[in-house]
Amino acid sequence: NAGVTQTPKFQVLKTGQSMTLQCAQDMNHNSMYWYRQDPGMGLRLIYYSASEGTTDKGEVPNGYNVSRLNKREFSLRLESAAPSQTSVYFCAGGWDSMNTEAFFGQGTRLTVV
Amino acid sequence: TQLLEQSPQFLSIQEGENLTVYCNSSSVFSSLQWYRQEPGEGPVLLVTVVTGGEVKKLKRLTFQFGDARKDSSLHITAAQPGDTGLYLCAGGNDYKLSFGAGTTVTVRA
Repeated sequence: NAGVTQTPKFQVLKTGQSMTLQCAQDMNHNSMYWYRQDPGMGLRLIYYSASEGTTDKGEVPNGYNVSRLNKREFSLRLESAAPSQTSVYFCAGGWDSMNTEAFFGQGTRLTVV
Repeated sequence: TQLLEQSPQFLSIQEGENLTVYCNSSSVFSSLQWYRQEPGEGPVLLVTVVTGGEVKKLKRLTFQFGDARKDSSLHITAAQPGDTGLYLCAGGNDYKLSFGAGTTVTVRA
């Protein structure tokens, strides 16, 4: 089992470009999450999906959109990248109201120049 | 403003010393988790505490959940270089899992 897989691992974008970060899980989790991690700020929740077909905003959703394509896949889209979106992005699955473990991907390091 | 405040932000100690990391919030959580993150990797769960006043031990690591379920602490006894890493607390309600800013722990040999 791969667990939670993110692609790409690294990406450089120019300001204004768009891109989609892909995330797939093979652990049959209902819930999936997108976080961004910046120095000194920990992990901040961008969007989450409690179950297939539902998505909700987290703490910092501005500038992002998400799609829960099916139970396995949860993608994050930047429509018009800005330097402030330079960050490490983590996808996670698994945590829910039953207080289970969140499993994280290895992250995508995004630089917007 | 972070929902969960961790302190200290950085901690550097000698091998064999003890350390404590704190996680505080004004919110009540249904559970609180501690994760450890290595450079270039995603966080990995260490423990989940659910009941107010709960104490859990994991080898040299001791975790406490405050009686009011708003705060927690992580204590490491006789720290080793392998304990070096970023320690993150996370509080959950419903489907939202919020993280503190983390404590970077460095254990010198």
